[in-house]
Amino acid sequence: GAVVSQHPSRVICKSGTSVKIECRSLDFQATTMFWYRQFPKKSLMLMATSNEGSKATYEQGVEKDKFLINHASLTLSTLTVTSAHPEDSSFYICSASGTFTDTQYFGPGTRLTVL
Amino acid sequence: QKEVEQNSGPLSVPEGAIASLNCTYSDRGSQSFFWYRQYSGKSPELIMFIYSNGDKEDGRFTAQLNKASQYVSLLIRDSQPSDSATYLCAVNIGSSNTGKLIFGQGTTLQVKP
Repeated sequence: GAVVSQHPSRVICKSGTSVKIECRSLDFQATTMFWYRQFPKKSLMLMATSNEGSKATYEQGVEKDKFLINHASLTLSTLTVTSAHPEDSSFYICSASGTFTDTQYFGPGTRLTVL
Repeated sequence: QKEVEQNSGPLSVPEGAIASLNCTYSDRGSQSFFWYRQYSGKSPELIMFIYSNGDKEDGRFTAQLNKASQYVSLLIRDSQPSDSATYLCAVNIGSSNTGKLIFGQGTTLQVKP
């Protein structure tokens, strides 16, 4: 149980384009989903927290207009990196937790490369 | 500032030995404690969680929690080369019900054959 998927697993795009990453909880209802990014050999950096049907809460320093998060259902959240630039290249990982628990289950991650 | 601290390592142990990974946290209100394993280039994978003081065992893994000392550890018995990874300690924020976790920097474990 507690399986979280992410799609795509890897994406390469040109500078200025937008990229959408999907995060799905496959066997449980995810009331809360989290989006992280991780640079090589660095720890996880929380970008935002999203609750189903509500606006996402962004961490300090994360541009909400650049990283658009939608959590329209209890099984799906999306992260859109708008007008991506090379400095946005990173490993983006989502996690999900269910009701009355703060255990987070991670998706496999999406490696974004912006040329 | 809520913090979770881990020794970055690397911690090197021979195959078959016990690996001991340690973590301290600053938020006395924290109630939930997690250990994740992350292989290079992969996302974190939950190993176990612990809520109560004492030991919790799951196979070769034992989590130990001491809230008075604000200390949580993970023991890996009979370490295998496949256990070589970065181990992340995570702690919930006691004063918040957002479900957010604070992660340590991780300890890199190397198990040598």
